[in-house]
This record gives sequence, C-alpha cells and structure tokens, in this order.
Amino acid sequence: DGGITQSPKYLFRKEGQNVTLSCEQNLNHDAMYWYRQDPGQGLRLIYYSQIVNDFQKGDIAEGYSVSREKKESFPLTVTSAQKNPTAFYLCASSILRGDYGYTFGSGTRLTVV
Amino acid sequence: AQKVTQAQTEISVVEKEDVTLDCVYETRDTTYYLFWYKQPPSGELVFLIRRNSFDEQNEISGRYSWNFQKSTSSFNFTITASQVVDSAVYFCALSEARWNNNDMRFGAGTRLTVKP
Repeated sequence: DGGITQSPKYLFRKEGQNVTLSCEQNLNHDAMYWYRQDPGQGLRLIYYSQIVNDFQKGDIAEGYSVSREKKESFPLTVTSAQKNPTAFYLCASSILRGDYGYTFGSGTRLTVV
Repeated sequence: AQKVTQAQTEISVVEKEDVTLDCVYETRDTTYYLFWYKQPPSGELVFLIRRNSFDEQNEISGRYSWNFQKSTSSFNFTITASQVVDSAVYFCALSEARWNNNDMRFGAGTRLTVKP
C-alpha cells in the first residue's frame, strides 16, 4: 500500500546534538512538507519541497535543515541551534494541485533530555 | 493571502450529544478547496472531506455532516450523536486553486473531547 513512513516514532536527544527525522513516501508525490506541532497547538510549517534538489523555508525554519536528493525522501535535521526542539513532527506529501489534499505520516515525537 | 480560523480551541461534550465545529476562511480567489482532517491521539492526520468553492451543497456521511456557506465564508462540521471515538483534534484547511502548487493553510484546530 502507498503511504508515508516517518521514523522513528519516538526520539530522544541530548542538548547540543543534531538529530535527523526520516520521511519516505511511495505515492509518487512531487511535494513534501514538514510541520511542527506543540502541545495544544496547531501545525506550523518548517520546510517544504516541490521538486528534487529544491526546497523552501516555511514559517519557522530557523534551527532546522532539510534535503531532497530523491523524490521519495525528505529528511529533516533538527540542529543544536533550535532552542526548543521538543515537539511532535509531521511529514506530509501531495501532488502539485490545489484540489489535492495532503497525505500525512504518523509523526515523530522528539524529546530533548 | 488565505487564512483559516477555528475559534473554538476546545469543546467537551457528553456522548450522544450533537456538536458543531466552526471554520471561517478568507481568500481572494473564486476557486478554492476546503478540507477537514481528524487527528486522533495516535497523531496522524486523517482526511475527512474536500469541498470545492463551486459546490455549496451540504454533505452528510453517516454521523458527519458539513455545512458550506460562501456568504459567510464558513465550512462548519457537525457530528451527530457523538461517540467517545470521535475524541480528536479536528483541523479545517484551505487550498487555493493553483497548477504546479499546493499551498494548504490550516486552522489552529479544535480539540473535541467526548465523555462517556
């Protein structure tokens, strides 16, 4: 079955460390997105990519980095520059049409210890 | 720029009550698409419905119904005879009609708690 796979489901990081969250899709979608969700909050866009080897900053890109070397993969690195990285991270994908909704992964919960 | 407002942050009801989740949107486009997603405790957002701006017909799917009114820029979601399994965060979203782009804007979400 087609879908989006995020891994790991839970991730613990020590302060000062970089960590990478994985997002893979086999839906042949062109666009991929990363969102951050804090407890009781909505979704905030971190980065998005509409084509391989290209990506754009979202509303809260500081302290994060991404790459899009393959159409299927859009990993997110949470760097040590991100001051408050503890959150729930959601990856999504879509085709490039406004009438097409997003398909979401099951999320990664990152905790800084 | 498009914007979605879900003014209700949290709603709590007792099982079997009806509940309506409000969604108000802003856009300058005449062609756009509205969505509702459900986020259960597991975390993944699940697609519920899509409505295009030219179709104001209300839709019913089982206990779920949606009321789209362009005159008030609203796309409200009603759950009839709520059940504990309906407890989740619900997001309303708007996407303008674009080719080679899909910029979906989400509301802040409404957390629904259904108590037994």
